[in-house]
Amino acid sequence: DTGVSQNPRHKITKRGQNVTFRCDPISEHNRLYWYRQTLGQGPEFLTYFQNEAQLEKSRLLSDRFSAERPKGSFSTLEIQRTEQGDSAMYLCASSSRTEYTGELFFGEGSRLTVL
Amino acid sequence: DAKTTQPPSMDCAEGRAANLPCNHSTISGNEYVYWYRQIHSQGPQYIIHGLKNNETNEMASLIITEDRKSSTLILPHATLRDTAVYYCIVRPVQTGANNLFFGTGTRLTVIP
Repeated sequence: DTGVSQNPRHKITKRGQNVTFRCDPISEHNRLYWYRQTLGQGPEFLTYFQNEAQLEKSRLLSDRFSAERPKGSFSTLEIQRTEQGDSAMYLCASSSRTEYTGELFFGEGSRLTVL
Repeated sequence: DAKTTQPPSMDCAEGRAANLPCNHSTISGNEYVYWYRQIHSQGPQYIIHGLKNNETNEMASLIITEDRKSSTLILPHATLRDTAVYYCIVRPVQTGANNLFFGTGTRLTVIP
């Protein structure tokens, strides 16, 4: 499968613990996005990378959240000192600038439950 | 922030056409209309987009009114697998526009 891959698919953690999610975009896609989705809501933009550079961050991305994309390939999203309000689906998407139609390719998401 | 208005839910009989409306009365001249859908427990999936003219692909047709203030996504022969939340999004197509604002979409239920 050559689509966007996210791991782990499910994560249950206790409040105050740190969690990290990984996203492997479609090969050669230079743009990578993180979104968060809570129950009954549409996905909300968190942050965007072009290659290894993080070019945009939403105000939703508090200082407990950090995203990286070393070498412009896979990306990680870390949440420190998790809170119950962090429980959500974290979605990753990628796109290609050379075929820029506005189409984002999403992974199946990583569901976080904070107890 | 979402610039579109969609009905929260719709039903459609299997095999019939599903017509999903979207209001985007404040759309700007450089903004396209995009449609995505999200099947339960999956990530959103791109369907189609357009600027002024009607568009058709293997998944759906997009009808945009002449004043561009509204549009309709048409699934010509709905199947049970089309049950999903459908999101209508307006977005400028330029390299600096990276966000998609999804809103809450329309939950389409295809009934056997």
